[in-house]
Amino acid sequence: NAGVTQTPKFRVLKTGQSMTLLCAQDMNHEYMYWYRQDPGMGLRLIHYSVGEGTTAKGEVPDGYNVSRLKKQNFLLGLESAAPSQTSVYFCASKGQGHNEQFFGPGTRLTVL
Amino acid sequence: AQKVTQAQTEISVVEKEDVTLDCVYETRDTTYYLFWYKQPPSGELVFLIRRNSFDEQNEISGRYSWNFQKSTSSFNFTITASQVVDSAVYFCALSEEGTSGSRLTFGEGTQLTVNP
Repeated sequence: NAGVTQTPKFRVLKTGQSMTLLCAQDMNHEYMYWYRQDPGMGLRLIHYSVGEGTTAKGEVPDGYNVSRLKKQNFLLGLESAAPSQTSVYFCASKGQGHNEQFFGPGTRLTVL
Repeated sequence: AQKVTQAQTEISVVEKEDVTLDCVYETRDTTYYLFWYKQPPSGELVFLIRRNSFDEQNEISGRYSWNFQKSTSSFNFTITASQVVDSAVYFCALSEEGTSGSRLTFGEGTQLTVNP
């Protein structure tokens, strides 16, 4: 039981490049989330999904897209990376109800 | 709109001291849920506790205790006899009953450093 995994763990991009971050969970959770963590700002929600095939915007969605084609996977895409997207990205998942979210180990992204 | 405030950006204590981390929240809902997470230097986020708005009983788990007071909209976290391993960033978070996707709103976090 791996829980929530994220790929890759580290990445360096040049401005304008694109990339996709993969989140996978093996707990059969309905809900999945993408956050970014910046110094002094806590975690801010980018996008989330309440089930396979659904996505919704969070607090800071601009510059990102997501897809949830399979229940266990939640992909975060950056179409044209900008230095302002340098951050640590966390994926999380949870089951039904207001239970705790389970977090992945994070992806450290640097955009030059 | 929901909001969580952790006014203490950084706290530094000496080992064995008690330390309290403050969390104040704002919500219009009568039903809501409060959480604490720990982020050690290794970077992962570890769930510590969940509380719903109808349960105001304080909780103790080993050296950890939580004081939930609806009258002051606070959910404070106390570590008794702190240890170096308690050094981490601690986040308080809130989820409202009516929020789509049971989204969490996080505070900005408190960096706790426990010195030997």
